[in-house]
Amino acid sequence: NAGVTQTPKFRVLKTGQSMTLLCAQDMNHEYMYWYRQDPGMGLRLIHYSVGEGTTAKGEVPDGYNVSRLKKQNFLLGLESAAPSQTSVYFCATKTYLDKLEATNEKLFFGSGTQLSVL
Amino acid sequence: LAKTTQPISMDSYEGQEVNITCSHNNIATNDYITWYQQFPSQGPRFIIQGYKTKVTNEVASLFIPADRKSSTLSLPRVSLSDTAVYYCLVGDIQDAGKSTFGDGTTLTVKP
Repeated sequence: NAGVTQTPKFRVLKTGQSMTLLCAQDMNHEYMYWYRQDPGMGLRLIHYSVGEGTTAKGEVPDGYNVSRLKKQNFLLGLESAAPSQTSVYFCATKTYLDKLEATNEKLFFGSGTQLSVL
Repeated sequence: LAKTTQPISMDSYEGQEVNITCSHNNIATNDYITWYQQFPSQGPRFIIQGYKTKVTNEVASLFIPADRKSSTLSLPRVSLSDTAVYYCLVGDIQDAGKSTFGDGTTLTVKP
């Protein structure tokens, strides 16, 4: 039971290159999220998904695209990387709870991907 | 979205009780308050969640006054391993994308 697995853990890109970050979960959670965290700052939501085949924009979606073709996987794509996208990227999952059972609903995070764009 | 305000940093000593307060003046009726802990080079980890009054689990307590415009995370008898960043989140837990992380409080526990 691995929980939330992110690949790769580290990556260096040149400006203009593209790449895809993969988030895989084995907890059968409905919701999945991509956050970025810049040094000394909190996490900012890029995109999220409430289920297979659905995606939605978060706070800072520009420059990123996502796909959720399978329930267990959530992909984050950078089509043309920019130095401003240098950051640590975290994937998280959450399960849906009925309102009457809404206690201790929590996000489960992966260990992060350190991305540097030169 | 309910905006949260926390102290940027706090210092404490081993064995002391630490209280970290979060202000959320425009909290909505359906919003819950959740606290996370983050160590360097790791993703945040859930600590505790509440709606009103007091919630306690094996690691912390959460105090929420009647007006719910603030909340206080209480860590009893901290140790060096409690040095971390603590985030307060406010959001409707039934609205998948609504909760927002602030900049957090860096707690440093000294020997």
